[in-house]
Amino acid sequence: AQSVTQLDSQVPVFEEAPVELRCNYSSSVSVYLFWYVQYPNQGLQLLLKYLSGSTLVKGINGFEAEFNKSQTSFHLRKPSVHISDTAEYFCAVRNNAGNMLTFGGGTRLMVKP
Amino acid sequence: NAGVTQTPKFRILKIGQSMTLQCTQDMNHNYMYWYRQDPGMGLKLIYYSVGAGITDKGEVPNGYNVSRSTTEDFPLRLELAAPSQTSVYFCASSPEGTQYFGPGTRLLVL
Repeated sequence: AQSVTQLDSQVPVFEEAPVELRCNYSSSVSVYLFWYVQYPNQGLQLLLKYLSGSTLVKGINGFEAEFNKSQTSFHLRKPSVHISDTAEYFCAVRNNAGNMLTFGGGTRLMVKP
Repeated sequence: NAGVTQTPKFRILKIGQSMTLQCTQDMNHNYMYWYRQDPGMGLKLIYYSVGAGITDKGEVPNGYNVSRSTTEDFPLRLELAAPSQTSVYFCASSPEGTQYFGPGTRLLVL
């Protein structure tokens, strides 16, 4: 069985500051990794994904994430956040033997002016 | 194309009532999913389907039923609504790998 842990339930940060949202996973097999963003009262939107190849993945809205196999992590980063980045962020993992996603509990990013 | 659409957006049910949450996708995806989202709990998989005529249980299927008669539609049925089913429900579809989500249905059971 696989699991996803997002250690920070809330991350407050000032506008234009850098941010890192942490995601750790456990799985006994190779995985694919995803970050989704959920703006208030909306559905989930794909931010970026790691399937194979370069461990540094760039997504939409200036976000990027790095896959670290030895630390089983896939942390999300942005060098300078905007007020509009305020949202809930979900990390998810899918093993390459199936098509099911396992989600973390989410991290609420709160960007303050 | 519209992607994944869900109706209704919001519904209030009384305990014991039944209802069907509708989900339609126009991307010809084989895989479809139903999740519920409770505060601070992330998303839990209720049911999923790998193609028309094939459905299977996810992590939290009790109290729900699904059917998949066409590629496009994947309705979720609540037969006897209970307060524990108060949640936000998301439908998603996938060709394989990346899942695409609908805007959600907010359900309140009183």
